[in-house]
Amino acid sequence: QQQVKQSPQSLIVQKGGISIINCAYENTAFDYFPWYQQFPGKGPALLIAIRPDVSEKKEGRFTISFNKSAKQFSLHIMDSQPGDSATYFCAATEFNAGNNRKLIWGLGTSLAVNP
Amino acid sequence: EAQVTQNPRYLITVTGKKLTVTCSQNMNHEYMSWYRQDPGLGLRQIYYSMNVEVTDKGDVPEGYKVSRKEKRNFPLILESPSPNQTSLYFCASSPSSVYNSPLHFGNGTRLTVT
Repeated sequence: QQQVKQSPQSLIVQKGGISIINCAYENTAFDYFPWYQQFPGKGPALLIAIRPDVSEKKEGRFTISFNKSAKQFSLHIMDSQPGDSATYFCAATEFNAGNNRKLIWGLGTSLAVNP
Repeated sequence: EAQVTQNPRYLITVTGKKLTVTCSQNMNHEYMSWYRQDPGLGLRQIYYSMNVEVTDKGDVPEGYKVSRKEKRNFPLILESPSPNQTSLYFCASSPSSVYNSPLHFGNGTRLTVT
């Protein structure tokens, strides 16, 4: 059972357009929601993250919108550029049985930005 | 340069031949973890380590072993690899397991088991 559901699986956007990737979760105990960006041949890298007491966080062209009541959060990439072409993963953190923090990952969205 | 280094980047082996994938970080991070990435399945955690000599199973630990004898190193051992362990493997480290402590990933090891 996928605890963090990510959509779409793939996305094609024209240069200058807005890319939107959505994630939904069920576990209300999740308390931190990072997004990771992965380029081909590289490992994922932290892009931006948000806590559930904040509805929006913006860093440059990247914005997370968070809707706690709907248990959804999304990544918006404004003015999308070909260099943004990558796979994006949303995630959520929880405590596991050993009282250690654990990341729960979405399945990823492959974004292609056409020039 | 702060980094997580995995070796080798590519590995082709045969069923049953023991192998080790090394992982080293130069950031003095306490937390280290191994993931496998498979199409349609995303990133799945294999093992993690909170500190030296402290390791625990992740979601898919079967067929894998790890050790954490030194803070910087966290090797992944496949005692008897099987074709279903063909995957892209990532090592990651983090200053701690605190909720907002970012994971730093290596560039991956692509393993093929025939």
